[in-house]
Amino acid sequence: NAGVTQTPKFQVLKTGQSMTLQCAQDMNHEYMSWYRQDPGMGLRLIHYSVGAGITDQGEVPNGYNVSRSTTEDFPLRLLSAAPSQTSVYFCASSPIDRGGNTIYFGEGSWLTVV
Amino acid sequence: TQLLEQSPQFLSIQEGENLTVYCNSSSVFSSLQWYRQEPGEGPVLLVTVVTGGEVKKLKRLTFQFGDARKDSSLHITAAQTGDTGLYLCAGGNYGQNFVFGPGTRLSVLP
Repeated sequence: NAGVTQTPKFQVLKTGQSMTLQCAQDMNHEYMSWYRQDPGMGLRLIHYSVGAGITDQGEVPNGYNVSRSTTEDFPLRLLSAAPSQTSVYFCASSPIDRGGNTIYFGEGSWLTVV
Repeated sequence: TQLLEQSPQFLSIQEGENLTVYCNSSSVFSSLQWYRQEPGEGPVLLVTVVTGGEVKKLKRLTFQFGDARKDSSLHITAAQTGDTGLYLCAGGNYGQNFVFGPGTRLSVLP
């Protein structure tokens, strides 16, 4: 019963370092997305994908890259980490009709940039 | 830009009390969802409402979608400590990404 799996769970980075948050889903969902969650601001969409080979920007894309080479995987790359990217990151997936379908979230990745 | 507001931001009550939390927007949504998030975990869907005026019940939780499909409420009857968590509403339209509210953090004390 894996669902959406994110790694790592916790990470501390120094300013300027790069890293990749991994995300995999086993539900054959076409739609995958990355959110960040900050106190009092809810979930903000970073990037999303409606299928393999297709990605698009969300509300807060700056400083992040994504790729979707397979249906299952949707990694998020931080190019040059900044303290403002300290946050909790959630990967999510859903069937393609995302206007009313359930969004399945991973357990989150806690990132601290010092 | 579609925005969702939630109130109250924080709520602390005693076990057994009733409570209502609200989700409001100036935009119309074709569907509205409520999620509950517990510490250290991702949000989990509680309900989806799609029809204006719709009321759905999930045990002690009652969800209502406003007639104009711009707002929603979540009422909990006889709250239990297990109801503690962050409650998020999310509005969606077909083919578009969901927009999430900032959440109501509920603490139910024994």
